[in-house]
Amino acid sequence: AQTVTQSQPEMSVQEAETVTLSCTYDTSESDYYLFWYKQPPSRQMILVIRQEAYKQQNATENRFSVNFQKAAKSFSLKISDSQLGDAAMYFCAYRSAYRSAGKSTFGDGTTLTVKP
Amino acid sequence: EAQVTQNPRYLITVTGKKLTVTCSQNMNHEYMSWYRQDPGLGLRQIYYSMNVEVTDKGDVPEGYKVSRKEKRNFPLILESPSPNQTSLYFCASSLWSAGGTNTGELFFGEGSRLTVL
Repeated sequence: AQTVTQSQPEMSVQEAETVTLSCTYDTSESDYYLFWYKQPPSRQMILVIRQEAYKQQNATENRFSVNFQKAAKSFSLKISDSQLGDAAMYFCAYRSAYRSAGKSTFGDGTTLTVKP
Repeated sequence: EAQVTQNPRYLITVTGKKLTVTCSQNMNHEYMSWYRQDPGLGLRQIYYSMNVEVTDKGDVPEGYKVSRKEKRNFPLILESPSPNQTSLYFCASSLWSAGGTNTGELFFGEGSRLTVL
């Protein structure tokens, strides 16, 4: 079974600074997806960024980028130029890319505080 | 607007009183799934469905039932709720088709806060 570990229950960052959230995972599969989801106080789950395991290039979405280290099974999220609206809980998630696999596994979350 | 709709959003009930949380998506997604979110435990998968009439257990299926009679609907049934099922529940869907371009991304409903007294 796959596991996802977020070792930082809480993080804080000063507005306009950069912060990195950590995520490691364990799997024996070679083809999978990794995600970061954001959950603001509204509770809505919002996709931040996604990475396909077969792609070497790290995904980026505006101020959000990942450092994907497949061999190390590490998938960290970097938020640049942090904004007050980035304050939320962030979940790292794993999903198998095999059609027969329906399970998704989430980490326990990291609560990010942005200080003005 | 593409969306996943859950109802009710909030519910307080008593132990043993059967309830159903509905979930409907309008994106023609094959895949649907239910999760519960508890403090410090992230999201844990209850059940999922790869397509109509195909359902399977996730990591925490005990005390729950599901059915998938139509592609768009995936209700979660608590036959005899207990206080340990007090939680925030999310339904999600995704595109998951053979030969298609799958992104793996889950589209979530807004969540249903359930309290069992």
